[in-house]
Amino acid sequence: AQTVTQSQPEMSVQEAETVTLSCTYDTSESDYYLFWYKQPPSRQMILVIRQEAYKQQNATENRFSVNFQKAAKSFSLKISDSQLGDAAMYFCAYYNRDDKIIFGKGTRLHILP
Amino acid sequence: ETGVTQTPRHLVMGMTNKKSLKCEQHLGHNAMYWYKQSAKKPLELMFVYSLEERVENNSVPSRFSPECPNSSHLFLHLHTLQPEDSALYLCASKGWPRRETQYFGPGTRLLVL
Repeated sequence: AQTVTQSQPEMSVQEAETVTLSCTYDTSESDYYLFWYKQPPSRQMILVIRQEAYKQQNATENRFSVNFQKAAKSFSLKISDSQLGDAAMYFCAYYNRDDKIIFGKGTRLHILP
Repeated sequence: ETGVTQTPRHLVMGMTNKKSLKCEQHLGHNAMYWYKQSAKKPLELMFVYSLEERVENNSVPSRFSPECPNSSHLFLHLHTLQPEDSALYLCASKGWPRRETQYFGPGTRLLVL
C-alpha cells in the first residue's frame, strides 16, 4: 500500500529565510502525481505545487519549488524568502491511477518575524 | 479561491439535531469528496462521488448520509451525531483537465454538544 510520510510535525523559519519541508512516500508504481497543499489558519486547503512523476524537471511556482528524487521516493518543498503569510499546515500528497489521493500527516510551519 | 464553496462555515448542533452541510463546485468537475479533519489526526476520506454515483464509503457511520443530486452539488446530512464527530469537514472536487488534482472548499467547522 502506498504511504506518505512527513517526518517534521513542526518547523520554524525566520522571515525572508529559506525553509525545506520533507516528504517521503512509498509506492511500487512508476506513474503518479505528487502534491503539496497549504492549509492556513483560515482552513482552506490550497494547492501549492504539483509534480508529475514522469517529468524529471522539478516543479516551481514563484517562491515555492520542489526537489523530486524519484529513486529515493523523496519530494521536499522549498520555500524561499519566507513571508508571514506562508505560516500554515503543509500537506504532502500522492495520487496514482487507482484514483486515490493519500495525504501525509502534515507539517506546521511557523514564520518568525 | 471560490471554485469550491461550502456552507455553513460554522455549525453548532446538539446530539439530537438534524442538519446538512452543503458543498458546491463551479469548476465543471465530475468527482466530489467529503473529508473529515480532526485535531492531530490525518485527513480522513469519508465519501467519494463520481458522476453523481457514490463510489466509495470509507466505513463511515450511518449517522452521516451523503447526497449528490448533480455533479455540482454535494450534501452531507447529519443526524444524532456524537461529540467525537466534532471536526472540520472538507469538501473537494476534481475533473478535467487535471483529473488527478483535488480542489478544496473552505470547510465547515462542526461542534457537536
